[in-house]
Amino acid sequence: SQQGEEDPQALSIQEGENATMNCSYKTSINNLQWYRQNSGRGLVHLILIRSNEREKHSGRLRVTLDTSKKSSSLLITASRAADTASYFCATDPLYNQGGKLIFGQGTELSVKP
Amino acid sequence: DTEVTQTPKHLVMGMTNKKSLKCEQHMGHRAMYWYKQKAKKPPELMFVYSYEKLSINESVPSRFSPECPNSSLLNLHLHALQPEDSALYLCASSQRQGSHNQPQHFGDGTRLSIL
Repeated sequence: SQQGEEDPQALSIQEGENATMNCSYKTSINNLQWYRQNSGRGLVHLILIRSNEREKHSGRLRVTLDTSKKSSSLLITASRAADTASYFCATDPLYNQGGKLIFGQGTELSVKP
Repeated sequence: DTEVTQTPKHLVMGMTNKKSLKCEQHMGHRAMYWYKQKAKKPPELMFVYSYEKLSINESVPSRFSPECPNSSLLNLHLHALQPEDSALYLCASSQRQGSHNQPQHFGDGTRLSIL
């Protein structure tokens, strides 16, 4: 079963604006990962944040993790039309059986030029 | 371009056909995965191979038969599929199964349609 919940399910913004997506999960984790999926393509790994980290940056991406609230957020700054995609969070549960990732339901981001 | 290569990109088959999906990676990863993804849904894990041995089978119907001939290749043999099996099939790899704090690398998938 999928334990991750993401909100919003869909987000539409103008180019240049910031986009924020949230992810909640239910069990303790080793890490939380964010992936992007362009239409008709595979998933691309964006960023991994470990359970002992609170914030991580990569280019225009900023990820936060609050393990007390079991939640994470992905911020994309100065969005571009090319950022249009689905974004999934995935958790690596603490007592993981065999490296299974638990994916959230995803946020569909549309960036209008 | 992805480092995990899947072929074919598209496949249309009848319910009585037998076909195979192929996946290849040359990153030296020893864990490989098959996922099934329906439209607007997250990927669902089907199988995990670790060091060429089947490690996890998520109760997948026997009409799907995985095979790992060597550390770089992963196949998914298909037989007598149902229309509800139409989906995007994704292959992924990672350094080691259960190796925490390592991401998975995905191919672009095979879009499968069952007539």
